[in-house]
Amino acid sequence: EPEVTQTPSHQVTQMGQEVILRCVPISNHLYFYWYRQILGQKVEFLVSFYNNEISEKSEIFDDQFSVERPDGSNFTLKIRSTKLEDSAMYFCASSNRVTISDTQYFGPGTRLTVL
Amino acid sequence: DAKTTQPTSMDCAEGRAANLPCNHSTISGNEYVYWYRQIHSQGPQYIIHGLKNNETNEMASLIITEDRKSSTLILPHATLRDTAVYYCIGANSGGSNYKLTFGKGTLLTVNP
Repeated sequence: EPEVTQTPSHQVTQMGQEVILRCVPISNHLYFYWYRQILGQKVEFLVSFYNNEISEKSEIFDDQFSVERPDGSNFTLKIRSTKLEDSAMYFCASSNRVTISDTQYFGPGTRLTVL
Repeated sequence: DAKTTQPTSMDCAEGRAANLPCNHSTISGNEYVYWYRQIHSQGPQYIIHGLKNNETNEMASLIITEDRKSSTLILPHATLRDTAVYYCIGANSGGSNYKLTFGKGTLLTVNP
């Protein structure tokens, strides 16, 4: 069964450093998403991406964040200058929107720890 | 997106049916009811979704009331591996800005 994969599973970085989280969506999917979950809190929407541009972004997704689909398979989330409060699980999701009702499938997540 | 209300926690005996309720009285006509679950800190796992008809798949059944103000997720024979947080989400998956808004969900604990 096709699945979303994410690398690395755990990333430790120093405050102020740039990090890139990588995702490989399901191969025939065209819509991509990032969510995050701070420990003990809800899963929060960050951004959706389609046709090489951002469809929607939340208030969390400020100028420190960017997304990119650098090739036909990867979808990345970059945080330019990490802060302590960026420590969280980051989940990538994808969907294909073929039918009027669509389903997002999530990856296993990357745990980001900012020291 | 529709606001949903779920009990904070529920218990279920292994092998019995788990019935997880959700209230979504503000759901709009074009919003589907989605159920996901999250085991420990893993990625949310899709379970089932529906608009107004009852739905069944290999994981669960979804019963939606006729007025669409509430629904029940049924796991017919719960196992220990079904212990997880279950999320009920109303979402317009046909819209241009389709995103999932997660609440706190219901922590289902399946006991031996």
